[in-house]
Amino acid sequence: AQSVTQLDSQVPVFEEAPVELRCNYSSSVSVYLFWYVQYPNQGLQLLLKYLSGSTLVESINGFEAEFNKSQTSFHLRKPSVHISDTAEYFCAVSDQGTGFQKLVFGTGTRLLVSP
Amino acid sequence: GAVVSQHPSRVICKSGTSVKIECRSLDFQATTMFWYRQFPKKSLMLMATSNEGSKATYEQGVEKDKFLINHASLTLSTLTVTSAHPEDSSFYICSAHELNEKLFFGSGTQLSVL
Repeated sequence: AQSVTQLDSQVPVFEEAPVELRCNYSSSVSVYLFWYVQYPNQGLQLLLKYLSGSTLVESINGFEAEFNKSQTSFHLRKPSVHISDTAEYFCAVSDQGTGFQKLVFGTGTRLLVSP
Repeated sequence: GAVVSQHPSRVICKSGTSVKIECRSLDFQATTMFWYRQFPKKSLMLMATSNEGSKATYEQGVEKDKFLINHASLTLSTLTVTSAHPEDSSFYICSAHELNEKLFFGSGTQLSVL
């Protein structure tokens, strides 16, 4: 079984500052890793994912995450945040054996960007 | 892009009544849909996998007689919370699986049982 830990329930940051949202996972098997974002009153949207290959993955809106197998981490980073990045961010993991569908989520981190 | 519509977004009901939540894939066919439950400050917890034309697969600890799932078509899955009690109050989210490993989520339903 897998588990995901997002230690920070809320991260306040000023606009244009860098941010890191932490995610650690636990699994006895190989996993796929995901970050989802949920804007107010909307469904979860896939931000980025790690399946294989390069351990650094990027999203189209400037976020990146790096898979670190030795530290079992998949932290999300952005060098300069915008007000519009304010949202709830969920880290998720799935067992490579079961595929991409059966996800185990972390508790989420609320990113609050202020002017 | 693909959209999953979940309805209602919020529902308040009396204890002992049943509540139905709908999850629709608007522009794609979803042979598989998933139902999650989220408690405040907790993870989204997978409740069940809904397969079109067959019985749902429930996760361990989820009462199948309590949470009835029907996936009657390729675009609609419903979750019915039967004989709801205050402890069933929670945020319920559905997701639908499209081809090429894409998974799309609904915006969720906040259920409050009085």
